[in-house]
Amino acid sequence: GAVVSQHPSWVICKSGTSVKIECRSLDFQATTMFWYRQFPKQSLMLMATSNEGSKATYEQGVEKDKFLINHASLTLSTLTVTSAHPEDSSFYICSVTQGASNQPQHFGDGTRLSIL
Amino acid sequence: AQSVTQPDIHITVSEGASLELRCNYSYGATPYLFWYVQSPGQGLQLLLKYFSGDTLVQGIKGFEAEFKRSQSSFNLRKPSVHWSDAAEYFCAVGVRNQGGKLIFGQGTELSVKP
Repeated sequence: GAVVSQHPSWVICKSGTSVKIECRSLDFQATTMFWYRQFPKQSLMLMATSNEGSKATYEQGVEKDKFLINHASLTLSTLTVTSAHPEDSSFYICSVTQGASNQPQHFGDGTRLSIL
Repeated sequence: AQSVTQPDIHITVSEGASLELRCNYSYGATPYLFWYVQSPGQGLQLLLKYFSGDTLVQGIKGFEAEFKRSQSSFNLRKPSVHWSDAAEYFCAVGVRNQGGKLIFGQGTELSVKP
């Protein structure tokens, strides 16, 4: 069965609105969750590492005020794209892990975000 | 610097033929290695992983991979490809002491001819 639930799977909204994407760990308490962005025909680009109860760690070049991450519990992390614009349109994927480097990441099914 | 290279962007094989997808890594210590598969519009599914021990690891869907330290490689193989194997394949290395962070290769798109 699914280990990770990511919602919504597809969202279309107008430019200037904010969009929230949820990532839930279903099978275990995830101390660490990751948020990725993926462009067509490209690999995953890590945006940020989300740790429960602390601030997210953003990768270089990722605007933390644009992409707000909240990891309020061991099973839920959210990514909010604030004041979204067409250039934010992309495929966003979350993953969960138990936090050790020898543990695999388990991925959600992704969210297709389209900003008109 | 830590990196993962998948030299082949796109591979086409005939159904029933064997498959090998290449992966080379650069890492300062014994790596934790993973292969993932992504179907269009979906997330990634773990195929197999290598941490230590036997260098030939078995995964799901009939895939296997062999860790070769001397070649810094972790190639993915399947003896007989099925049409449903058409997808994007990603090799990744786990970064130690960074909470499970992964470095991904660029991916290899597999097409299967009938």
